[in-house]
Amino acid sequence: NAGVTQTPKFRVLKTGQSMTLLCAQDMNHEYMYWYRQDPGMGLRLIHYSVGEGTTAKGEVPDGYNVSRLKKQNFLLGLESAAPSQTSVYFCASSNQAFQETQYFGPGTRLLVL
Amino acid sequence: LAKTTQPISMDSYEGQEVNITCSHNNIATNDYITWYQQFPSQGPRFIIQGYKTKVTNEVASLFIPADRKSSTLSLPRVSLSDTAVYYCLVGDGSSGAGSYQLTFGKGTKLSVIP
Repeated sequence: NAGVTQTPKFRVLKTGQSMTLLCAQDMNHEYMYWYRQDPGMGLRLIHYSVGEGTTAKGEVPDGYNVSRLKKQNFLLGLESAAPSQTSVYFCASSNQAFQETQYFGPGTRLLVL
Repeated sequence: LAKTTQPISMDSYEGQEVNITCSHNNIATNDYITWYQQFPSQGPRFIIQGYKTKVTNEVASLFIPADRKSSTLSLPRVSLSDTAVYYCLVGDGSSGAGSYQLTFGKGTKLSVIP
């Protein structure tokens, strides 16, 4: 039981490049989330999903897209990376609603030059 | 959204009890209060959750007064390994279209001193 895993662990992009971050969970959770964490800012919700095939915007969705084609996977895409998207990205999942315990992945560190 | 306010940082010596207070004046009737712990270079980890009065588990206690406008996380006899950032969260609690925000805030950086 690996819990929540994230791929890759670290990535360097040039401005304008695109990439996809993969989150996978093996707990059969319905809800999945993508957060970003910047120094001194805490965690901010980018997008979330309440079930397979559904996605919704969080607090800071601009510049990102997501997809939940399979229940266990939640993908975060950057179509045209910008330096402002340099951050640590955390994926999380929970069994039901937001107020259920969220289980976090180890994070993906992204640097956009 | 129900926002939270916590101290930015706290210091404590090993073996002492640490109390971290969080203010959430706009908490909704059906919101729970949840605390997470985050070590450097790791994702946050659930510590404790409560709705009112007192909740205790093997790690911490959570005290919530009757008006629920604040809560206090209590860590008994802290050790160096408790050095981390602690987040107080209050869910929006709404159902329906779009209101599933859960705001982490900036957290409280606890430093335990030997």
